[in-house]
Amino acid sequence: GQNIDQPTEMTATEGAIVQINCTYQTSGFNGLFWYQQHAGEAPTFLSYNVLDGLEEKGRFSSFLSRSKGYSYLLLKELQMKDSASYLCAVRGNTDKLIFGTGTRLQVFP
Amino acid sequence: DADVTQTPRNRITKTGKRIMLECSQTKGHDRMYWYRQDPGLGLQLIYYSFDVKDINKGEISDGYSVSRQAQAKFSLSLESAIPNQTALYFCATSDNRENTDTQYFGPGTRLTVL
Repeated sequence: GQNIDQPTEMTATEGAIVQINCTYQTSGFNGLFWYQQHAGEAPTFLSYNVLDGLEEKGRFSSFLSRSKGYSYLLLKELQMKDSASYLCAVRGNTDKLIFGTGTRLQVFP
Repeated sequence: DADVTQTPRNRITKTGKRIMLECSQTKGHDRMYWYRQDPGLGLQLIYYSFDVKDINKGEISDGYSVSRQAQAKFSLSLESAIPNQTALYFCATSDNRENTDTQYFGPGTRLTVL
């Protein structure tokens, strides 16, 4: 079967660093995506990884290890506006995305 | 201006009614998708279309139908709405010519079936 696992909830302090993990088991692999979703709003694209390694984009970075079926999203210098859900999604061998249930991040002052 | 729009944004309807949710895009993308999102669950794919003449069922297509009227328009219909179809519905688009084929989401339609 196909499965994506990520923690349900995380908390962190403003200015800190947080790492959100995602493990996956899918039929084939053609890329992994991270989306941010504020409550009641649309998911917005954050990052894409298809090769092993780290992709950095401002305060956000995403890492992929295909052999381990593992990715993480790293958020630095946390701000209150980073309080949101973070969705991990994998494209298997059918061009469709499989989404995890999301990690709800709460940032406290 | 939004690239992907959905109408209506909110809808309350009664059991047994037929309703249509509409999605339009100005991104020029060839691929369009309909998802539903329920609390505590991930986004679930209802239907997807890779071009105007292509329609495919997703994970949870029962009780739903779609129409791809043009490259820019993709509508989702609930033939006879039931309460467990109460959810947040998202349309998304992507471009097969783009290397990553990233999906971009519309603002969502909150549907309540009484």
